[in-house]
Amino acid sequence: NAGVTQTPKFQVLKTGQSMTLQCAQDMNHEYMSWYRQDPGMGLRLIHYSVGAGITDQGEVPNGYNVSRSTTEDFPLRLLSAAPSQTSVYFCASSYQVGGVYEQYFGPGTRLTVT
Amino acid sequence: GQQVMQIPQYQHVQEGEDFTTYCNSSTTLSNIQWYKQRPGGHPVFLIQLVKSGEVKKQKRLTFQFGEAKKNSSLHITATQTTDVGTYFCAGLTTLDSNYQLIWGAGTKLIIKP
Repeated sequence: NAGVTQTPKFQVLKTGQSMTLQCAQDMNHEYMSWYRQDPGMGLRLIHYSVGAGITDQGEVPNGYNVSRSTTEDFPLRLLSAAPSQTSVYFCASSYQVGGVYEQYFGPGTRLTVT
Repeated sequence: GQQVMQIPQYQHVQEGEDFTTYCNSSTTLSNIQWYKQRPGGHPVFLIQLVKSGEVKKQKRLTFQFGEAKKNSSLHITATQTTDVGTYFCAGLTTLDSNYQLIWGAGTKLIIKP
């Protein structure tokens, strides 16, 4: 069991560039989510999904898109990168609705936008 | 909006001293979870509390959930260097029939040399 995997581990983008952060889990979890973590702050929810084909916005969705075509994968797309999106991004999954069951986090992607 | 306030933001302790972090919610929670994040790492689940007044122990760690299910605490007895990291609480509420997990900002435990 690999758990939750994220790629890349590190990324540097120029303002205006787009990219996709990959997230995959092999635990057959229904619930997946994306968080960003800024220095000295907690985790802020960007988008989440309660199953394949179903996504919804979290607390800070602007500038990000998601899709969930399979149970395993939940990519996060940055449409036009801005310096304010410099952050550490974590993908998480849980058996069912997040918070009812424990969440498993990936190792994170450290993104810098210049 | 619904918030979970976590204090303190940082706590410096000598190795062997105790450590406590507190979470307070503006609304009643269905449950509360605690996570630990080591420096440079990702959050790792520690425990979940569900019942009013619940107390759970994991070796030197004691977790409490308040009677009103609005506050919680994590207490570490006799800290060790392996305890270094940031401790987060996350409270589950419902909003418009949807579950919502609200995170505290975390308390960073720093062991003084």
